[in-house]
Amino acid sequence: SQELEQSPQSLIVQEGKNLTINCTSSKTLYGLYWYKQKYGEGLIFLMMLQKGGEEKSHEKITAKLDEKKQQSSLHITASQPSHAGIYLCGAVLTGTASKLTFGTGTRLQVTL
Amino acid sequence: EAQVTQNPRYLITVTGKKLTVTCSQNMNHEYMSWYRQDPGLGLRQIYYSMNVEVTDKGDVPEGYKVSRKEKRNFPLILESPSPNQTSLYFCASSLWIRAGGYTFGSGTRLTVV
Repeated sequence: SQELEQSPQSLIVQEGKNLTINCTSSKTLYGLYWYKQKYGEGLIFLMMLQKGGEEKSHEKITAKLDEKKQQSSLHITASQPSHAGIYLCGAVLTGTASKLTFGTGTRLQVTL
Repeated sequence: EAQVTQNPRYLITVTGKKLTVTCSQNMNHEYMSWYRQDPGLGLRQIYYSMNVEVTDKGDVPEGYKVSRKEKRNFPLILESPSPNQTSLYFCASSLWIRAGGYTFGSGTRLTVV
């Protein structure tokens, strides 16, 4: 099973709607990172969360970290076509300090 | 511009023909890593390097080699490619492993026939 589980796996929303993507870890995490990937292209770093309860925002995207639950959420307000892509969470997990472990991603489509 | 540059972007090759995918970063990062991305499996680490002349295996190192002779370069070598190495490859770098987000290259889509 995946050490980082993302839900949902895919999402289709109408432009202007809000949405939330979740990332849950099966292990203690030391930092949680959110990335966006356009199909077949590189990953763009969005945000890093390091402390429990931390919340960061960039434009219309807000990410929160619940350290006790080993979970993070990514919330997009008033979605736009430019938000479409694959969102991946990554984390440094207990026992795997040499790498970022990634979830399998959430594919977001925004319809007009 | 701070970036990780991978080449080539696309490559089609035949089984057994040695190839090298180059990766270069201009940010003086100590940590570099290679990942492959496959549908349903996500990103899996192949090899990583904490610094010059220091490399180590990731989760899926079989069939790959790397070297880190200079800080900026971290090439991925496939000595004898096989069709199961058909994948999307990413090079990434970071100041150090927990310093912050990785900077990723644009990816290399490799097809082995």
